[in-house]
Amino acid sequence: DTEVTQTPKHLVMGMTNKKSLKCEQHMGHRAMYWYKQKAKKPPELMFVYSYEKLSINESVPSRFSPECPNSSLLNLHLHALQPEDSALYLCASSQVATTSGANVLTFGAGSRLTVL
Amino acid sequence: RKEVEQDPGPFNVPEGATVAFNCTYSNSASQSFFWYRQDCRKEPKLLMSVYSSGNEDGRFTAQLNRASQYISLLIRDSKLSDSATYLCVVVASGGSYIPTFGRGTSLIVHP
Repeated sequence: DTEVTQTPKHLVMGMTNKKSLKCEQHMGHRAMYWYKQKAKKPPELMFVYSYEKLSINESVPSRFSPECPNSSLLNLHLHALQPEDSALYLCASSQVATTSGANVLTFGAGSRLTVL
Repeated sequence: RKEVEQDPGPFNVPEGATVAFNCTYSNSASQSFFWYRQDCRKEPKLLMSVYSSGNEDGRFTAQLNRASQYISLLIRDSKLSDSATYLCVVVASGGSYIPTFGRGTSLIVHP
């Protein structure tokens, strides 16, 4: 069983819909990440939260809006997406994101998003 | 030049074979190195960290060559269940300490 839980596992949405992806971890990790992965490509970093504050936004379009309500939860709000946004969205966590030896990533199982 | 480079493969090997993957990195300030395994349509999972002195975990051996800036993964006695994509991950110091992924190497072990 993965220690990072993502919901929903699958999501189909239209371009005008608003939906959210959720991620939860109870390992006491203080860094949480959103990655996007297309088929046969490596995970592509979107956002990093460190101690509940957004520390990295990899120039992600504003139709993706992250939120970190507390140290255990991470959301990704989706609005007005495009078909090319269809992908596997992976949440990950690590102890911290400030020292190289303490950021082994633990991934959730992912949310597979299809935008029609 | 990409920060972390891997041969995408696929490496197609018979059961019982020994196979090795390399991964090169461009940032000399890199400090932490990992191999992740990703099965089709699943999330990446940590296979092993890579230590300066090299390390072994059963049939898997990882090595680091700082002078040439590459890490390697050796799999001995390949099993069908080893078929997966192997992702090299590098973390550099002095910046954001964000793991950087290679594109992954696909391994197919056949009977």
